[in-house]
Amino acid sequence: QLQLQESGPGLVKPSETLSLTCTVSGGSISSSSYFWGWIRQPPGKGLEWIGTIYYRGRTYYNPSLKSRVTISVDTSKNQFSLKLSSVTAADTALYYCARLVQSGKPIWGQGTLVTVSS
Amino acid sequence: DIQMTQSPSSLSASVGDRVTITCRASQSISGYLNWYQQKPGKAPSLLIYDVRSLESGVPSRFSGSGSGTDFTLTISSLQPEDFATYYCQQSYSTPSITFGQGTRLEIK
Repeated sequence: QLQLQESGPGLVKPSETLSLTCTVSGGSISSSSYFWGWIRQPPGKGLEWIGTIYYRGRTYYNPSLKSRVTISVDTSKNQFSLKLSSVTAADTALYYCARLVQSGKPIWGQGTLVTVSS
Repeated sequence: DIQMTQSPSSLSASVGDRVTITCRASQSISGYLNWYQQKPGKAPSLLIYDVRSLESGVPSRFSGSGSGTDFTLTISSLQPEDFATYYCQQSYSTPSITFGQGTRLEIK
């Protein structure tokens, strides 16, 4: 059964870069059928798509975050990663990684809380 | 970008009630619509995918319908554990996805 697990620092200082990794187990990240994405949810607010990567490395970003986001994939480790630069308190959120597909079941990780604070 | 609008934003209902939540897309998304349930402090949990396919383990009192731009999530008889926030999500434009703003279902 496919599982995704987010990992990374829970506390990031303002103006620094947030870095998270999603480890995929129970299946290959190199499947041609799926995309791999990041989603976030600020405390008490709704869900926001951050960006998506295909296993071959093509990326797709939310225009509102595009200038600060980099998503990469490491197929040898079955992982993909998120970097968000120049963070502010507004970037404090639960960050989720997910397997995305146009038709069929999306699968999400349990999420990790990242707080931006000095 | 495809915008998703849920209504209502919040809803009060009683155990045993039939409840309907609506999700409207800014353009046709065919049959590519998912519904999630989120309880406080937990990750969103998939309820329904592809408009009407029930995720494994989800009670049959949940159902989805719609096509094109208008979709509904129906709970046929509310149970205490159903009080939560519900989100729709379009997957039509995958790898880019968007969510509705959420509907908070509260106990009356």
